Amino acid sequence: EVQLVETGGGMIQPGGSLTLSCAVSGFSVSNFYMSWIRQAPGKGLDWVSLIYTAGSTSYADSVKGRFTISRDNSKNTLYLQMNSLRAEDTAVYYCARSALSGTDAFDIWGQGTMVTVSP
Amino acid sequence: DIQMTQSPSSLSTSIGDRVAITCRASQSINKYLNWFQQKPGKAPKLLIYGVSSLQSGVPSRFSGSGSETDFTLTISSLQPEDFATYYCQQSYSTPYTFGQGTKLEI
Repeated sequence: EVQLVETGGGMIQPGGSLTLSCAVSGFSVSNFYMSWIRQAPGKGLDWVSLIYTAGSTSYADSVKGRFTISRDNSKNTLYLQMNSLRAEDTAVYYCARSALSGTDAFDIWGQGTMVTVSP
Repeated sequence: DIQMTQSPSSLSTSIGDRVAITCRASQSINKYLNWFQQKPGKAPKLLIYGVSSLQSGVPSRFSGSGSETDFTLTISSLQPEDFATYYCQQSYSTPYTFGQGTKLEI
């Protein structure tokens, strides 16, 4: 079964660090573009970062220099290392796969993990 | 960055209604327009990709149309399970961007 399961969320103080994991099953994480997308409480969807099959990466300006996306092909897992966290980073974080349909639409999503940045 | 503007932001509707949600991109995005449905407490679900291609398992009452900068999601006859929030999204270039969402309410 194709599935994404995020873990690692929690409550953290401003300035702290947290690493999110996204365990992939049913396909190889290295064969697809993979993204992190977040949603602040009561707000819309906000794309955060993407890792391409070749390993190159892309980030939203709001997290550039603070967040790092990576993957471990042997563990079939996607990661998001988050440093220098701010209150505005509080959100549910989803990992998502881009389909091979030619338009890179997010066809598979995890259930999300909540990150709360608060003193 | 490409800005995505959806309208309306909310819509009061009834079972059986035909509904159209529009999405405008700040520049041409060719065919790279996708639509998602999200219910409270759940992850978004892909409905339409590439402007008009129906994702597997999605009912045929959902359809998409448009080109360049102007796009529409149409639900031909609203069912109880369709009351949710809908988002458009461009996958033409990073940073990928979403519309602000359209909430369908009874």
